[in-house]
Amino acid sequence: DAGVIQSPRHEVTEMGQEVTLRCKPISGHDYLFWYRQTMMRGLELLIYFNNNVPIDDSGMPEDRFSAKMPNASFSTLKIQPSEPRDSAVYFCASSPRDGYSNQPQHFGDGTRLSIL
Amino acid sequence: DAKTTQPNSMESNEEEPVHLPCNHSTISGTDYIHWYRQLPSQGPEYVIHGLTSNVNNRMASLAIAEDRKSSTLILHRATLRDAAVYYCILRDRANSGGSNYKLTFGKGTLLTVNP
Repeated sequence: DAGVIQSPRHEVTEMGQEVTLRCKPISGHDYLFWYRQTMMRGLELLIYFNNNVPIDDSGMPEDRFSAKMPNASFSTLKIQPSEPRDSAVYFCASSPRDGYSNQPQHFGDGTRLSIL
Repeated sequence: DAKTTQPNSMESNEEEPVHLPCNHSTISGTDYIHWYRQLPSQGPEYVIHGLTSNVNNRMASLAIAEDRKSSTLILHRATLRDAAVYYCILRDRANSGGSNYKLTFGKGTLLTVNP
Protein backbone atom coordinates (compact mmCIF):
# COMPACT_ATOMS: atom_id res chain seq x y z
CA ASP A 1 0.00 0.00 0.00
CA ALA A 2 1.23 3.48 -0.81
CA GLY A 3 1.92 5.58 2.22
CA VAL A 4 1.70 9.33 2.56
CA ILE A 5 3.44 10.89 -0.42
CA GLN A 6 5.10 14.28 -0.19
CA SER A 7 6.72 16.34 -2.90
CA PRO A 8 9.23 17.65 -3.47
CA ARG A 9 11.65 15.81 -1.18
CA HIS A 10 14.05 18.73 -1.23
CA GLU A 11 13.51 22.37 -2.09
CA VAL A 12 16.09 25.11 -2.19
CA THR A 13 14.97 28.60 -3.05
CA GLU A 14 15.79 32.21 -2.40
CA MET A 15 14.06 34.29 0.18
CA GLY A 16 11.02 36.11 -1.06
CA GLN A 17 9.99 33.33 -3.39
CA GLU A 18 6.74 31.42 -3.06
CA VAL A 19 7.11 27.82 -1.90
CA THR A 20 4.47 25.13 -2.36
CA LEU A 21 4.70 21.80 -0.58
CA ARG A 22 2.41 18.98 -1.61
CA CYS A 23 0.92 15.99 0.14
CA LYS A 24 -1.13 13.01 -0.93
CA PRO A 25 -2.62 11.25 2.10
CA ILE A 26 -3.37 7.56 2.35
CA SER A 27 -6.60 6.78 0.54
CA GLY A 28 -9.57 6.63 2.89
CA HIS A 29 -7.98 8.63 5.68
CA ASP A 30 -10.16 11.39 7.07
CA TYR A 31 -7.47 13.42 8.82
CA LEU A 32 -4.48 15.25 7.39
CA PHE A 33 -1.78 16.97 9.44
CA TRP A 34 1.07 19.33 8.55
CA TYR A 35 4.10 19.46 10.87
CA ARG A 36 7.37 21.36 10.84
CA GLN A 37 10.60 20.09 12.39
CA THR A 38 13.62 22.19 13.31
CA MET A 39 16.53 21.57 15.66
CA MET A 40 15.48 24.44 17.87
CA ARG A 41 11.76 23.79 18.16
CA GLY A 42 11.45 20.08 17.41
CA LEU A 43 8.33 18.71 15.73
CA GLU A 44 5.44 21.19 15.72
CA LEU A 45 1.91 20.73 14.46
CA LEU A 46 1.01 23.56 12.07
CA ILE A 47 -2.52 22.70 11.00
CA TYR A 48 -4.83 19.76 10.57
CA PHE A 49 -7.87 18.93 8.48
CA ASN A 50 -10.82 16.65 8.99
CA ASN A 51 -12.69 15.67 5.82
CA ASN A 52 -10.93 18.49 3.94
CA VAL A 53 -11.99 21.14 6.46
CA PRO A 54 -9.31 22.93 8.52
CA ILE A 55 -9.95 22.20 12.18
CA ASP A 56 -7.04 23.78 14.03
CA ASP A 57 -4.55 26.18 12.47
CA SER A 58 -3.25 27.62 15.73
CA GLY A 59 0.23 26.33 14.94
CA MET A 60 0.57 28.23 11.68
CA PRO A 61 3.36 30.70 12.45
CA GLU A 62 2.07 33.73 10.56
CA ASP A 63 0.06 34.94 7.61
CA ARG A 64 2.80 34.02 5.19
CA PHE A 65 1.76 30.39 5.70
CA SER A 66 -1.41 28.95 4.22
CA ALA A 67 -2.72 25.43 3.76
CA LYS A 68 -5.49 24.04 1.62
CA MET A 69 -7.11 20.70 1.04
CA PRO A 70 -9.22 20.97 -2.12
CA ASN A 71 -10.12 17.28 -2.08
CA ALA A 72 -9.57 14.14 -0.06
CA SER A 73 -6.45 13.14 -1.91
CA PHE A 74 -4.43 16.33 -2.02
CA SER A 75 -3.20 19.10 0.25
CA THR A 76 -0.78 21.99 -0.13
CA LEU A 77 1.19 24.11 2.28
CA LYS A 78 2.29 27.46 0.85
CA ILE A 79 4.76 29.99 2.14
CA GLN A 80 4.68 33.40 0.52
CA PRO A 81 7.01 35.19 0.79
CA SER A 82 9.54 32.72 2.15
CA GLU A 83 12.22 33.69 4.67
CA PRO A 84 15.43 31.94 5.80
CA ARG A 85 13.85 31.12 9.18
CA ASP A 86 11.30 28.97 7.37
CA SER A 87 14.06 26.47 6.60
CA ALA A 88 12.99 23.17 8.14
CA VAL A 89 11.71 19.71 7.34
CA TYR A 90 7.97 19.75 6.72
CA PHE A 91 6.02 16.55 7.30
CA CYS A 92 2.55 15.59 6.24
CA ALA A 93 0.65 12.86 8.06
CA SER A 94 -2.75 11.26 7.67
CA SER A 95 -4.99 9.17 9.87
CA PRO A 96 -8.26 7.28 9.58
CA ARG A 97 -11.32 8.43 11.47
CA ASP A 98 -10.53 8.47 15.13
CA GLY A 99 -13.57 7.85 17.27
CA TYR A 100 -12.15 6.26 20.38
CA SER A 101 -9.91 3.85 18.56
CA ASN A 102 -6.76 5.97 18.70
CA GLN A 103 -5.86 5.45 15.09
CA PRO A 104 -2.15 6.21 14.56
CA GLN A 105 -0.89 8.95 12.32
CA HIS A 106 1.05 7.86 9.24
CA PHE A 107 3.82 10.22 8.23
CA GLY A 108 5.41 10.94 4.88
CA ASP A 109 9.15 11.20 4.39
CA GLY A 110 9.05 14.97 4.57
CA THR A 111 10.19 17.90 2.46
CA ARG A 112 13.51 19.42 3.41
CA LEU A 113 13.18 23.13 2.71
CA SER A 114 16.12 25.51 2.56
CA ILE A 115 15.56 29.23 2.08
CA LEU A 116 18.70 31.10 1.13
CA ASP B 1 -1.72 20.10 28.22
CA ALA B 2 -0.37 17.13 30.10
CA LYS B 3 3.37 16.81 29.49
CA THR B 4 5.85 13.97 29.40
CA THR B 5 9.44 13.73 30.59
CA GLN B 6 11.95 11.44 28.91
CA PRO B 7 15.72 11.04 29.20
CA ASN B 8 17.54 12.86 26.42
CA SER B 9 19.48 9.79 25.38
CA MET B 10 20.01 6.11 26.10
CA GLU B 11 22.42 3.50 24.87
CA SER B 12 21.95 -0.19 24.34
CA ASN B 13 23.73 -3.16 22.89
CA GLU B 14 22.44 -5.13 19.97
CA GLU B 15 20.18 -8.08 20.82
CA GLU B 16 19.68 -6.87 24.39
CA PRO B 17 16.38 -5.59 25.79
CA VAL B 18 15.84 -1.85 26.05
CA HIS B 19 13.56 -0.11 28.52
CA LEU B 20 12.69 3.45 27.58
CA PRO B 21 11.04 5.34 30.46
CA CYS B 22 8.51 8.15 30.34
CA ASN B 23 7.06 10.18 33.19
CA HIS B 24 3.66 11.80 32.86
CA SER B 25 2.62 12.74 36.37
CA THR B 26 -0.11 15.15 35.22
CA ILE B 27 -1.86 12.65 32.97
CA SER B 28 -5.63 12.92 33.00
CA GLY B 29 -8.04 10.04 33.25
CA THR B 30 -8.86 10.00 29.55
CA ASP B 31 -5.35 10.55 28.18
CA TYR B 32 -3.93 7.73 26.11
CA ILE B 33 -0.16 7.10 26.07
CA HIS B 34 1.29 6.91 22.57
CA TRP B 35 4.81 6.06 21.45
CA TYR B 36 6.28 7.03 18.12
CA ARG B 37 9.81 6.77 16.85
CA GLN B 38 11.74 8.65 14.19
CA LEU B 39 14.55 6.96 12.33
CA PRO B 40 17.22 9.18 10.75
CA SER B 41 15.97 11.14 7.74
CA GLN B 42 12.45 9.71 8.03
CA GLY B 43 9.10 10.81 9.35
CA PRO B 44 7.87 9.61 12.72
CA GLU B 45 6.47 6.10 12.88
CA TYR B 46 3.78 4.82 15.23
CA VAL B 47 5.01 2.19 17.68
CA ILE B 48 2.32 1.44 20.25
CA HIS B 49 -0.29 3.01 22.52
CA GLY B 50 -2.23 2.16 25.66
CA LEU B 51 -4.55 3.47 28.34
CA THR B 52 -4.25 1.40 31.52
CA SER B 53 -3.26 -2.14 30.71
CA ASN B 54 0.07 -3.32 29.36
CA VAL B 55 0.10 -3.72 25.60
CA ASN B 56 2.12 -5.86 23.21
CA ASN B 57 2.52 -5.73 19.44
CA ARG B 58 5.05 -6.95 16.92
CA MET B 59 7.29 -3.94 17.46
CA ALA B 60 7.35 -3.48 21.22
CA SER B 61 5.62 -3.76 24.59
CA LEU B 62 4.22 -0.94 26.67
CA ALA B 63 4.18 -1.24 30.44
CA ILE B 64 1.97 1.30 32.23
CA ALA B 65 2.30 1.99 35.94
CA GLU B 66 -0.73 1.32 38.07
CA ASP B 67 -1.16 5.02 38.86
CA ARG B 68 -0.53 5.83 35.16
CA LYS B 69 2.02 8.46 36.07
CA SER B 70 4.75 6.69 34.18
CA SER B 71 5.20 4.14 31.42
CA THR B 72 8.00 2.16 29.82
CA LEU B 73 8.47 1.17 26.21
CA ILE B 74 10.21 -2.17 25.95
CA LEU B 75 12.12 -3.34 22.93
CA HIS B 76 12.75 -7.00 23.62
CA ARG B 77 15.83 -7.42 21.43
CA ALA B 78 17.32 -4.22 20.10
CA THR B 79 18.70 -4.20 16.59
CA LEU B 80 20.73 -1.57 14.80
CA ARG B 81 17.57 -0.59 12.95
CA ASP B 82 15.99 0.42 16.26
CA ALA B 83 18.37 3.35 16.61
CA ALA B 84 16.03 6.33 16.56
CA VAL B 85 14.43 9.10 18.58
CA TYR B 86 11.56 7.70 20.63
CA TYR B 87 8.70 10.00 21.57
CA CYS B 88 6.27 9.41 24.42
CA ILE B 89 3.11 11.43 23.78
CA LEU B 90 -0.13 11.93 25.63
CA ARG B 91 -3.09 12.14 23.33
CA ASP B 92 -4.67 15.53 23.71
CA ARG B 93 -8.30 15.56 22.78
CA ALA B 94 -9.00 18.81 20.98
CA ASN B 95 -11.67 21.09 22.29
CA SER B 96 -13.59 21.24 19.06
CA GLY B 97 -15.70 18.30 20.02
CA GLY B 98 -16.38 15.18 18.06
CA SER B 99 -13.49 12.86 17.39
CA ASN B 100 -10.77 15.34 16.44
CA TYR B 101 -7.41 15.06 18.11
CA LYS B 102 -3.82 16.10 17.81
CA LEU B 103 -0.46 14.87 19.07
CA THR B 104 2.16 17.10 20.71
CA PHE B 105 5.73 15.86 20.30
CA GLY B 106 8.41 16.62 22.91
CA LYS B 107 12.16 16.16 22.46
CA GLY B 108 12.10 12.40 22.88
CA THR B 109 14.88 9.96 23.75
CA LEU B 110 17.69 9.34 21.30
CA LEU B 111 18.42 5.62 21.41
CA THR B 112 21.84 4.47 20.27
CA VAL B 113 22.33 0.76 19.62
CA ASN B 114 25.87 -0.55 19.72
CA PRO B 115 26.83 -3.57 17.59
